[in-house]
Amino acid sequence: KQEVTQIPAALSVPEGENLVLNCSFTDSAIYNLQWFRQDPGKGLTSLLLIQSSQREQTSGRLNASLDKSSGRSTLYIAASQPGDSATYLCAVKGPDSWGKLQFGAGTQVVVTP
Amino acid sequence: EADIYQTPRYLVIGTGKKITLECSQTMGHDKMYWYQQDPGMELHLIHYSYGVNSTEKGDLSSESTVSRIRTEHFPLTLESARPSHTSQYLCASTKGTGTDTQYFGPGTRLTVL
Repeated sequence: KQEVTQIPAALSVPEGENLVLNCSFTDSAIYNLQWFRQDPGKGLTSLLLIQSSQREQTSGRLNASLDKSSGRSTLYIAASQPGDSATYLCAVKGPDSWGKLQFGAGTQVVVTP
Repeated sequence: EADIYQTPRYLVIGTGKKITLECSQTMGHDKMYWYQQDPGMELHLIHYSYGVNSTEKGDLSSESTVSRIRTEHFPLTLESARPSHTSQYLCASTKGTGTDTQYFGPGTRLTVL
């Protein structure tokens, strides 16, 4: 059974610092990996989706890398801002799950002014 | 911009009541999902549907039931709510191909007294 782990569970950084969020998964046979953002009491917003054949994806200040063989993905957020404060979740989709995602518990990020 | 809606956003009810959580999407997506999320914990899939008249139970056992009579509508029903059902319920949808992003609604926070 696929297990997804996110470390650390919480992170606090001063504004302007780069954020590095980690996600690991136990079964490397994944179809893709998604990073989401969740604000308190809200739903999830998709940030980046990396296909299993890709090594990284970029969108603005966000960059996500994927190393399938080692079961790891990293989300980098450059020059963090207070508005980046949220919980960030990663989710993997297995090759035969037809869209079902396995989520990590998330990393809660606080960016202080 | 994802067009997926959930009502109500917040619901506080007494034990034993029957409730229906509504989820609708206007994107014409075939696949829809219900997740349950407790505070600080990962999302767990409780139901999913691949199209009209198709519903399946997810990885987490749930006493709720779902129906999919129309493509755009995927309601979740609890026949007799209990305090153990207190949680946040998130609805999501995706177009249907393996590469698609999963879009989430804002969630319903349910409290059963």
